[in-house]
Amino acid sequence: EAQVTQNPRYLITVTGKKLTVTCSQNMNHEYMSWYRQDPGLGLRQIYYSMNVEVTDKGDVPEGYKVSRKEKRNFPLILESPSPNQTSLYFCASSFDGGETDTQYFGPGTRLTVL
Amino acid sequence: AQSVTQLDSHVSVSEGTPVLLRCNYSSSYSPSLFWYVQHPNKGLQLLLKYTSAATLVKGINGFEAEFKKSETSFHLTKPSAHMSDAAEYFCVVSDFRGTSYGKLTFGQGTILTVHP
Repeated sequence: EAQVTQNPRYLITVTGKKLTVTCSQNMNHEYMSWYRQDPGLGLRQIYYSMNVEVTDKGDVPEGYKVSRKEKRNFPLILESPSPNQTSLYFCASSFDGGETDTQYFGPGTRLTVL
Repeated sequence: AQSVTQLDSHVSVSEGTPVLLRCNYSSSYSPSLFWYVQHPNKGLQLLLKYTSAATLVKGINGFEAEFKKSETSFHLTKPSAHMSDAAEYFCVVSDFRGTSYGKLTFGQGTILTVHP
């Protein structure tokens, strides 16, 4: 089954404790992206990747890092999480990131930073 | 720069009545436009997309949207609401020319409530 998976689905952590949220897709997509969803703000793009070793900032990259060493994986790293990073995070992928491409979303990761 | 405004944060309808979710966009070029739906505790699913072909776009579950360039609008409609339509809906614009390659912009979302 074609899908985007994220782990963990739920995470409660404390300020300053490094964490990684994994994202994997099995559709051989070139384009992958991370979003955060906050009430009243819709989804805002954090980082995206057009291909292996090619990443770029979205609208809200501060406090986040990403890497794309393999085509299928696109982990999101919070090196020193803070309470304002409490949010619902979505990973997405698409064929090549083209203008008309359909994005396929993972189920989401709900992160709480105390 | 591109932007999206969803004109209603909440819409409430009765089952069997029409649905109208409003979306206005801003883009320097001719963008592609999407509607996604998010059911509670689920990821986002594509409803439909406009990619500069026919201006009236039909999607899944009886939804459709009309691209009106003169009004910079892309409103989502459905003739008859069903209880299962209750969800949050997002209008999305993509305009990959200029410096915004790879970047999608989401609206703030509209929560649709359907009453029996």
